[in-house]
Amino acid sequence: KNEVEQSPQNLTAQEGEFITINCSYSVGISALHWLQQHPGGGIVSLFMLSSGKKKHGRLIATINIQEKHSSLHITASHPRDSAVYICAVSPNTGNQFYFGTGTSLTVIP
Amino acid sequence: DGGITQSPKYLFRKEGQNVTLSCEQNLNHDAMYWYRQDPGQGLRLIYYSQIVNDFQKGDIAEGYSVSREKKESFPLTVTSAQKNPTAFYLCASRDFRGADTQYFGPGTRLTVL
Repeated sequence: KNEVEQSPQNLTAQEGEFITINCSYSVGISALHWLQQHPGGGIVSLFMLSSGKKKHGRLIATINIQEKHSSLHITASHPRDSAVYICAVSPNTGNQFYFGTGTSLTVIP
Repeated sequence: DGGITQSPKYLFRKEGQNVTLSCEQNLNHDAMYWYRQDPGQGLRLIYYSQIVNDFQKGDIAEGYSVSREKKESFPLTVTSAQKNPTAFYLCASRDFRGADTQYFGPGTRLTVL
């Protein structure tokens, strides 16, 4: 049973395209995180959300608590955005985070 | 700036050797976690600690050990009993009080040769 589901698993886009990555979860949460992982690299925290919407540069993250769904949008995508994007949730109860399996994004010049 | 430090970023060890991965936080968080990532899989919980001198096994604790002697530090030892130690290891922390802040470290990629 996966508490967090991401889609798509893999995504290829042309430079400049608008990209959406989706995350659905099945537990009550206090927060949802979007993380970025470059090939061979470490984890970078992009957003922590508990409601509404956040924006940082070309990245936008939204969450709908009632529908248990979050989206990560990248506007005007660039090859340097190529990475794995991971959704993670922190449940209201319990003692761990739950992670999606990640979305591998490749942006082609 | 507060945050989590994991060092080193890349670590290489020979088979049969124990190796300890460092995780330090200056956030005053009570809870700390260790996760493992394998290619194509989500991160899985190895151990967690909710308070100093206390820790609990996660889903895949076999072959690993931890200690929590200080609030700031939660080192993970990968022992020779761990059959497939080559993986990416991620440390996280959480403060359940107040705003419930949560942080992730950058991770350590361990390769056993």
